[in-house]
Amino acid sequence: DAGVIQSPRHEVTEMGQEVTLRCKPISGHNSLFWYRQTMMRGLELLIYFNNNVPIDDSGMPEDRFSAKMPNASFSTLKIQPSEPRDSAVYFCASRLQGPRVGAFFGQGTRLTVV
Amino acid sequence: AQSVTQLDSQVPVFEEAPVELRCNYSSSVSVYLFWYVQYPNQGLQLLLKYLSGSTLVKGINGFEAEFNKSQTSFHLRKPSVHISDTAEYFCAATTSGTYKYIFGTGTRLKVLA
Repeated sequence: DAGVIQSPRHEVTEMGQEVTLRCKPISGHNSLFWYRQTMMRGLELLIYFNNNVPIDDSGMPEDRFSAKMPNASFSTLKIQPSEPRDSAVYFCASRLQGPRVGAFFGQGTRLTVV
Repeated sequence: AQSVTQLDSQVPVFEEAPVELRCNYSSSVSVYLFWYVQYPNQGLQLLLKYLSGSTLVKGINGFEAEFNKSQTSFHLRKPSVHISDTAEYFCAATTSGTYKYIFGTGTRLKVLA
């Protein structure tokens, strides 16, 4: 298995532009997480999907952020409009049902908003 | 409420020396514990996990961790480190009643030649 695949690996965009980050979870995994990592705040859980349904989006910073999972093999995280404070590394992670197995992380997308 | 504390933000150690990275957790219920490693510009990779049973858990790359319920600790150890172990290490906790992983703030291990 290729693991969790995220694209793009790097994204540089201007403030005010729309940004879409993509994630392909490991086949067969039915739980998916989006995290954001910054030096100041560490790893923050943004949203959690189970069986393609958003279960907890309380970590989404504000209405500018939205996430979808149209099917079991694809998820997106969109920021519109983007702001410089959104600059961070965004990780997608997936796992099988239940917390005992641990989550598998993608390589991340480094977002820079200028 | 659940929390995970990694007491050291940075740990420098010479190559071939032993290392211990500390992790303490708080939880009122049975807890599952994990250690992840993050190499530069990479995602987090699972090193090892404690679910139940034997308190000494062995993981990949020669790492091991010991679960100590009385001290609410899950310290990570390696008897002899290599330059390639230079990375950031995260301790995480969860319980059977939740889907969330609570991550510590990370410990940056720097192995010196």
